[in-house]
Amino acid sequence: GENVEQHPSTLSVQEGDSAVIKCTYSDSASNYFPWYKQELGKRPQLIIDIRSNVGEKKDQRIAVTLNKTAKHFSLHITETQPEDSAVYFCAASIGSGYSTLTFGKGTMLLVSP
Amino acid sequence: GAVVSQHPSWVICKSGTSVKIECRSLDFQATTMFWYRQFPKQSLMLMATSNEGSKATYEQGVEKDKFLINHASLTLSTLTVTSAHPEDSSFYICSALDSENEKLFFGSGTQLSVL
Repeated sequence: GENVEQHPSTLSVQEGDSAVIKCTYSDSASNYFPWYKQELGKRPQLIIDIRSNVGEKKDQRIAVTLNKTAKHFSLHITETQPEDSAVYFCAASIGSGYSTLTFGKGTMLLVSP
Repeated sequence: GAVVSQHPSWVICKSGTSVKIECRSLDFQATTMFWYRQFPKQSLMLMATSNEGSKATYEQGVEKDKFLINHASLTLSTLTVTSAHPEDSSFYICSALDSENEKLFFGSGTQLSVL
């Protein structure tokens, strides 16, 4: 089955800096890659996603890049703010469906004022 | 965005009792819902896929007789933890697939503590 590796497990940055979280996946059939933000004790919230026919997607301070050849995708957050502090999960879905996702282990992002 | 409601948000029960958790999609129909378990500081582990009108599909290692799933309507799936034991204590989260928009939305989670 699919295996998703996520790095780093923790990331500390100063407010205003950029943060980058990287994920790799094993199954070349995966074609949907969402990113979720989860604050402590709360539900994961979809923040951005990318499909395999696109190499990059941006939404304000958040961007995601996808390299299908290398089978890795990354989340980029610019001008980080303390409220960006949370656990971020990447995920990949196998095949043509978007239903079953395999999640990475998560990255705890801490943004210091 | 779409809303998925999960209740209760937390529950404390005695060992040996059963606990039911509800997951509802409030503004879309979800033929497929998912149940996850999450331990502190760890990732979401898929337990089972719940399909409306049919039996749930359980992941390897998940006991179907212990974690009963019912998806009786297009907006409701329930997870019943039967004969709960302390090792079942965990954060359980559901998600619902909005197939029309091809998005997955999560419930707010249920913290289960078994004494």
